[in-house]
Amino acid sequence: AQSVSQHNHHVILSEAASLELGCNYSYGGTVNLFWYVQYPGQHLQLLLKYFSGDPLVKGIKGFEAEFIKSKFSFNLRKPSVQWSDTAEYFCAVISSGGSYIPTFGRGTSLIVHP
Amino acid sequence: ETGVTQSPTHLIKTRGQQVTLRCSSQSGHNTVSWYQQALGQGPQFIFQYYREEENGRGNFPPRFSGLQFPNYSSELNVNALELDDSALYLCASSRLAEGSYNEQFFGPGTRLTVL
Repeated sequence: AQSVSQHNHHVILSEAASLELGCNYSYGGTVNLFWYVQYPGQHLQLLLKYFSGDPLVKGIKGFEAEFIKSKFSFNLRKPSVQWSDTAEYFCAVISSGGSYIPTFGRGTSLIVHP
Repeated sequence: ETGVTQSPTHLIKTRGQQVTLRCSSQSGHNTVSWYQQALGQGPQFIFQYYREEENGRGNFPPRFSGLQFPNYSSELNVNALELDDSALYLCASSRLAEGSYNEQFFGPGTRLTVL
């Protein structure tokens, strides 16, 4: 069974600081990887996704993530965070060839101080 | 384009009762998935419906059941409520095509409290 680990449960940063949120998954086969974001009071929405090709994927609002197959990782990065990035961030994985049902990590709460 | 909507927004029930949560899919979507999100946790997959049939199920007991209607709206029913069923219940819709994954769009959720 696939699983997803997000090691940083709470992250507090000041504006303009760089961000990296860790995500590791456990599944030996081909995977599709996602980062979702949930802003306060809003719906869960897709930030970016990796299916194949360039392992460095760019998403909305200046976020990017790098898929490192050898490390089973898909870390989320942003060079300079803003106060508006305060949100919950969830990593998710789908095993290719399966039922296309995502497994989510427990999430990372990011607070950005102005 | 209308997004995914859920009703009610909040609900309070007591142990042993039954509850029905509702979801309206985004226009053009044919698949609905339900998730349970406990406080401080990520969403946990309950089940998915495609063309009115269950298309996958997570590790939830049979007292969690669902329906998908011809207009692709959906219901989640939970019988014999337990305290641990208190959570945010999320509905997500997508357009499933053979051999591919399409982005799921989430609704705002229903906050269920079981006393």
